Amino acid sequence: DTGVSQNPRHKITKRGQNVTFRCDPISEHNRLYWYRQTLGQGPEFLTYFQNEAQLEKSRLLSDRFSAERPKGSFSTLEIQRTEQGDSAMYLCASSSSVSGGHPDEQFFGPGTRLTVL
Amino acid sequence: AQSVTQPDIHITVSEGASLELRCNYSYGATPYLFWYVQSPGQGLQLLLKYFSGDTLVQGIKGFEAEFKRSQSSFNLRKPSVHWSDAAEYFCAVGAEASGNTPLVFGKGTRLSVIA
Repeated sequence: DTGVSQNPRHKITKRGQNVTFRCDPISEHNRLYWYRQTLGQGPEFLTYFQNEAQLEKSRLLSDRFSAERPKGSFSTLEIQRTEQGDSAMYLCASSSSVSGGHPDEQFFGPGTRLTVL
Repeated sequence: AQSVTQPDIHITVSEGASLELRCNYSYGATPYLFWYVQSPGQGLQLLLKYFSGDTLVQGIKGFEAEFKRSQSSFNLRKPSVHWSDAAEYFCAVGAEASGNTPLVFGKGTRLSVIA
């Protein structure tokens, strides 16, 4: 078990450019979450997948954001036409769903820090 | 909708002293409550969680938390703080009925430990 990995760890880009982040969850986990964390704040939910299906999207996820999980394994988060307000830490988490019952533990990756100049 | 309030932005304690980090939640039904810790440059690590049953839960690294429904609180405690405990601590709440829903986090409390 290598944990949740995210690449790249840091990304600096110019305003207006597109960026893509990748998340590799723990291999047996079928749920994958994306969160955004800005300075001085807790993580805020963006979207999540169960297998390859995107089940929920936050209103924070504007049209410039798109996420995919094509084969139910790794996921990508793309931001088009980046803005300075997109500068944040983007966190990925994965979990193994259970039918009914309690929510399981979400395991977090180290995050990708995005700086938009 | 759920919400979490962590009233203390920053706390400083001496090494060896006791610690209590406050967390208040807002949720109409039975909440699922979590405490995570985040060290600089690291992801979030789960310290402990409360789902049901005993309201005093034990976690890793010597931490414990007590769920008090009447006060809508889930405060984190440690009897003796170590320098390595310096980090950011986040309280989070999850919804009940739908199981694995996204977590709602508080803004965090930064803990500094002095000698």
